Amino acid sequence: SAVISQKPSRDICQRGTSLTIQCQVDSQVTMMFWYRQQPGQSLTLIATANQGSEATYESGFVIDKFPISRPNLTFSTLTVSNMSPEDSSIYLCSVQDRASYEQYFGPGTRLTVT
Amino acid sequence: SQQGEEDPQALSIQEGENATMNCSYKTSINNLQWYRQNSGRGLVHLILIRSNEREKHSGRLRVTLDTSKKSSSLLITASRAADTASYFCATGRNTGGFKTIFGAGTRLFVKA
Repeated sequence: SAVISQKPSRDICQRGTSLTIQCQVDSQVTMMFWYRQQPGQSLTLIATANQGSEATYESGFVIDKFPISRPNLTFSTLTVSNMSPEDSSIYLCSVQDRASYEQYFGPGTRLTVT
Repeated sequence: SQQGEEDPQALSIQEGENATMNCSYKTSINNLQWYRQNSGRGLVHLILIRSNEREKHSGRLRVTLDTSKKSSSLLITASRAADTASYFCATGRNTGGFKTIFGAGTRLFVKA
């Protein structure tokens, strides 16, 4: 399985500011995904980020609020823009194994907005 | 939106007992995966079952899939206190782009 790292692991931010979360994978992957997990809840898919194309956002998530970059097959960033306390959550990067379709997750970034 | 609904929401059992968690979903799928998440920790991939499979085993885990009923179950046999965690099912679909959607999860508590 792929090894996925995320930076930062946690942060406390002021409302109105932006935070960029980095996701690094130890192997080349076509499909990367960003999820959000609010306290005590399940995971919600934010967007799919495939290299060489624009990210595809799920209902309720927009590019202006969550811009995503995918410059190569091992790296992606998610920016949480103009943050409010409602954005406090864990943000997780995920990749799909091309052969098995198994999906693996990074350790997450715990964001608190004050 | 979440595709999977899990049942029960919470389950408390004694060590050594079996734990069964169920997942129902609404649309056709390509595969279904089960994950474990310990409190405050990352997601651990447990098992993937494809839509053309009916049952898979991995150690003490047994997963079944009934596509006619749009449901899956995860059985943990001979449970241990270390199995205490939240368990999530996640359905994978390819609809002009592959995506995996998570259910609400079952919180399992195994008492020593």
